[in-house]
Amino acid sequence: AQSVTQPDIHITVSEGASLELRCNYSYGATPYLFWYVQSPGQGLQLLLKYFSGDTLVQGIKGFEAEFKRSQSSFNLRKPSVHWSDAAEYFCAVGVIKAAGNKLTFGGGTRVLVKP
Amino acid sequence: DAMVIQNPRYQVTQFGKPVTLSCSQTLNHNVMYWYQQKSSQAPKLLFHYYDKDFNNEADTPDNFQSRRPNTSFCFLDIRSPGLGDAAMYLCATSFGGRAVGELFFGEGSRLTVL
Repeated sequence: AQSVTQPDIHITVSEGASLELRCNYSYGATPYLFWYVQSPGQGLQLLLKYFSGDTLVQGIKGFEAEFKRSQSSFNLRKPSVHWSDAAEYFCAVGVIKAAGNKLTFGGGTRVLVKP
Repeated sequence: DAMVIQNPRYQVTQFGKPVTLSCSQTLNHNVMYWYQQKSSQAPKLLFHYYDKDFNNEADTPDNFQSRRPNTSFCFLDIRSPGLGDAAMYLCATSFGGRAVGELFFGEGSRLTVL
């Protein structure tokens, strides 16, 4: 069965500093990988996704992620964090099944931005 | 804008009193999902519809049921809510098929059980 691990439960970063969120997955085939962001009391918004091709993926809000098959990782990065980036971030792996495609989410990383 | 709309955004119910949460979509996606998200936890899939086919997760309690009367609407019924069912319930949609499509989420319905 597929699984996703986000090792960091909380991260605090200063505004303007860089941010990297870690994600490790376990899946026997080619993974379909996603990063979602959730602001308090809101639904999840897709930041970016990886299906195939270029392993460096650009997303919205200045985020990017790099797929490293050898490390089973899909880490999310942003060069300069803004206060509005304070939120919870979820990494997910997608699985194709005959009954429908499903996402399995990691436990999430909560990001706090200091002024 | 095409979107996924959930109602109500906030629902308060009493222990054991049935609750129905609704989800509608204008994306014309063939797959609709219901996730349960408890505080500070990852969303957990309860079940999903692939077209009209209902797919229940193995560990979803019988207390949770779902209906999809047409492509646009899907309902989550909690027959006898317990205190442990207090959570955010997220509806999502996607295109199912050979390629894994991203999920589009609604804003969620937060359920409080008194």
